[in-house]
Amino acid sequence: DQQVKQNSPSLSVQEGRISILNCDYTNSMFDYFLWYKKYPAEGPTFLISISSIKDKNEDGRFTVFLNKSAKHPSLHIVPSQPGDSAVYFCAAWGLNTGNQFYFGTGTSLTVIP
Amino acid sequence: ETGVTQTPRHLVMGMTNKKSLKCEQHLGHNAMYWYKQSAKKPLELMFVYSLEERVENNSVPSRFSPECPNSSHLFLHLHTLQPEDSALYLCASSQASNTEAFFGQGTRLTVV
Repeated sequence: DQQVKQNSPSLSVQEGRISILNCDYTNSMFDYFLWYKKYPAEGPTFLISISSIKDKNEDGRFTVFLNKSAKHPSLHIVPSQPGDSAVYFCAAWGLNTGNQFYFGTGTSLTVIP
Repeated sequence: ETGVTQTPRHLVMGMTNKKSLKCEQHLGHNAMYWYKQSAKKPLELMFVYSLEERVENNSVPSRFSPECPNSSHLFLHLHTLQPEDSALYLCASSQASNTEAFFGQGTRLTVV
């Protein structure tokens, strides 16, 4: 049973526009939601996270929102840049979920110059 | 430089070979993980070592065998693999009960 889902395998956005990457989860025990960025032939790198007690966390061009009632984290990138083209993984973690990170299948973002 | 180093970066092995993947972290973390990434699938957690204690994942075939000799090193021993085991194997570490995992660059494994 997949506890973290990313239903859009790919997304294309024009440079300068907003990229919105969506995620859904099923386990209400998760305490944190994280976003990782992955380039080909490299391991994922941490991007930004949000605690389950918050609804927004911002870091430069990256903002993560959490709609807890809908169990829906999302990552907004604005303005999008060609260097943002990568696969973005949503992940979830909880103190009571076995010290494991649960990952979605990823969304491949292409930012078109 | 991520602080988590995996070797080798690429590995091609036959189905009868025995090989090992190595992971080393220099971050002082006390939890280490092996993940498998196959195309169009979520990152699959294979094994967790937390405070040098192994957490079993019963769905991992016995042809994969982890070893954690100390908190800085993690191995994944491979024997009699199948072609469907070809994937990117990622090592990660974290401070137990912390929220961020740091990943190595992965080993691209091809089983022929």
